[in-house]
Amino acid sequence: DAGVIQSPRHEVTEMGQEVTLRCKPISGHNSLFWYRQTMMRGLELLIYFNNNVPIDDSGMPEDRFSAKMPNASFSTLKIQPSEPRDSAVYFCASSPPGQGSRSPLHFGNGTRLTVT
Amino acid sequence: GQQVMQIPQYQHVQEGEDFTTYCNSSTTLSNIQWYKQRPGGHPVFLIQLVKSGEVKKQKRLTFQFGEAKKNSSLHITATQTTDVGTYFCAGWNDMRFGAGTRLTVKP
Repeated sequence: DAGVIQSPRHEVTEMGQEVTLRCKPISGHNSLFWYRQTMMRGLELLIYFNNNVPIDDSGMPEDRFSAKMPNASFSTLKIQPSEPRDSAVYFCASSPPGQGSRSPLHFGNGTRLTVT
Repeated sequence: GQQVMQIPQYQHVQEGEDFTTYCNSSTTLSNIQWYKQRPGGHPVFLIQLVKSGEVKKQKRLTFQFGEAKKNSSLHITATQTTDVGTYFCAGWNDMRFGAGTRLTVKP
């Protein structure tokens, strides 16, 4: 069974460029999460989808960030324009439907983004 | 959203010593989950605690959920080098993680 698949694994771009990160959740999972991890801020929740609908996007830093989930098997996180302070590891995670409590998250391997 | 505080931030132990990390919330948690992230890796689910006062064990790891469901702890007995990594708690009221405790183990 394939896990959560993220692409690319590494992305190096120049300030001002558009960056698109991609995620394929585990089949059958109905919740998808985007997190950003840095040394300074730890693991931050950016946005959370349930059944393809954004539920909580309060963690999205600013208008430069946008996320979509057009169907149950694909999500994107876009940064436009990118800035050096966006450099981080971005994780996508998915979870199956819960049974009375929150289901565990399954994380992808992450995308390491470097903005120069 | 809720704030889950985790202490200590770092812990360095000699192999064979015990290790404990604590997770505290100002609000009651519906449940709490623990994850481990190896250096360079991604967080991996360890366990979920749901009931007040619950205690669960996984080999050398013991997880506890406080009676008031506002705190939790992870205790590792006789650490090994394979225990190295960052341990996170997450209060699943709003899917936000604590800052994590980074454990290093000296052989």
